[in-house]
Amino acid sequence: RKEVEQDPGPFNVPEGATVAFNCTYSNSASQSFFWYRQDCRKEPKLLMSVYSSGNEDGRFTAQLNRASQYISLLIRDSKLSDSATYLCVVPAQGGKLIFGQGTELSVKP
Amino acid sequence: ETGVTQSPTHLIKTRGQQVTLRCSSQSGHNTVSWYQQALGQGPQFIFQYYREEENGRGNFPPRFSGLQFPNYSSELNVNALELDDSALYLCASSKPDRGWNSPLHFGNGTRLTVT
Repeated sequence: RKEVEQDPGPFNVPEGATVAFNCTYSNSASQSFFWYRQDCRKEPKLLMSVYSSGNEDGRFTAQLNRASQYISLLIRDSKLSDSATYLCVVPAQGGKLIFGQGTELSVKP
Repeated sequence: ETGVTQSPTHLIKTRGQQVTLRCSSQSGHNTVSWYQQALGQGPQFIFQYYREEENGRGNFPPRFSGLQFPNYSSELNVNALELDDSALYLCASSKPDRGWNSPLHFGNGTRLTVT
């Protein structure tokens, strides 16, 4: 089993749609998690941190299920500018962040 | 506040050559990490430096080495380049106030092509 596994993409959705991405992780000791956003040929940028059961920031909601070792990211009312690759990230010891392979989202007019 | 800056932005090298990539961390950040991102993949951890010492290492061979300087800037050196080393190399800095749960701030990356 991969340490961090994400939904394979791409997701193609119309503007205004709600879309959810799933991520599972293997290390049950992990305490916090991140979602990063990466635009094409750019660096990853922190979107949200998740330290407890979940976090909400405007149209974005991250949920954490520790029992199932599962994290989700929900985007409501999708905008064209949300088109990007979304990376699920789990910290590990030694200062290491373990990234999933990313889920590509394309929002169409 | 100055962000993370990397140089060069693009580089083309030949198999067997050596390369040095540079990174200046965000002001106030004393920890620097390097990641390799192949096309279509998530970034893979190479190593991390804290107070000029390697603080953690991923599954990369010894020909990948690094340095951190007193001003917290850093270098990534790769010897004996192989075609599979072609990737985007990302530097990230952090201020580990939450220990190993601190989020990272990435530079724009150096795109290395090995021919």
